[in-house]
Amino acid sequence: GQNIDQPTEMTATEGAIVQINCTYQTSGFNGLFWYQQHAGEAPTFLSYNVLDGLEEKGRFSSFLSRSKGYSYLLLKELQMKDSASYLCAVMDSNYQLIWGAGTKLIIKP
Amino acid sequence: GAVVSQHPSWVICKSGTSVKIECRSLDFQATTMFWYRQFPKQSLMLMATSNEGSKATYEQGVEKDKFLINHASLTLSTLTVTSAHPEDSSFYICSARLGQGVEEQFFGPGTRLTVL
Repeated sequence: GQNIDQPTEMTATEGAIVQINCTYQTSGFNGLFWYQQHAGEAPTFLSYNVLDGLEEKGRFSSFLSRSKGYSYLLLKELQMKDSASYLCAVMDSNYQLIWGAGTKLIIKP
Repeated sequence: GAVVSQHPSWVICKSGTSVKIECRSLDFQATTMFWYRQFPKQSLMLMATSNEGSKATYEQGVEKDKFLINHASLTLSTLTVTSAHPEDSSFYICSARLGQGVEEQFFGPGTRLTVL
């Protein structure tokens, strides 16, 4: 079966760095997405990785290792507004998105 | 970026009534639209995939006669929850994609449905 695993909840301090991991097992792979979702709102796109390595975009970076079925989202210089759920999603061989359950990130002052 | 709208943003209805939710791509033509449901503190659950001009493909466990999907044009898809019951109360989110391949999905703001 297809499976996406990510931690349920993480806590970090304002100004610090946090890494949210995602492991996956899917039928085929056409890329991995990270989305941010604030409570009561729809997800917003953060990043897309299809090749191994690190993609940096401002305070957010995303890493992919296809051989390990592993990705992480790195958030630097955390701000209170970064408190949200972070969803990992993998596009399978049928171009369908398989969603993880999301990681709720709590930022403390 | 591409913009997707949903209407209404929230709706409260009585049990047994039907509710229609609209999803529109405002500045692009969406070949494919997706309908998701999200219960509190849970991830997105794909309900169905609809391609313009053809029947929607429903995920396992989703009743096609209860959740009617119409994708009549490249910019509009509708989801009708028929004979709604309290257990249908949820956050319904649509997303749209330009093509058939590896492309970002653009999400609508969601519709919160409460069935009394």
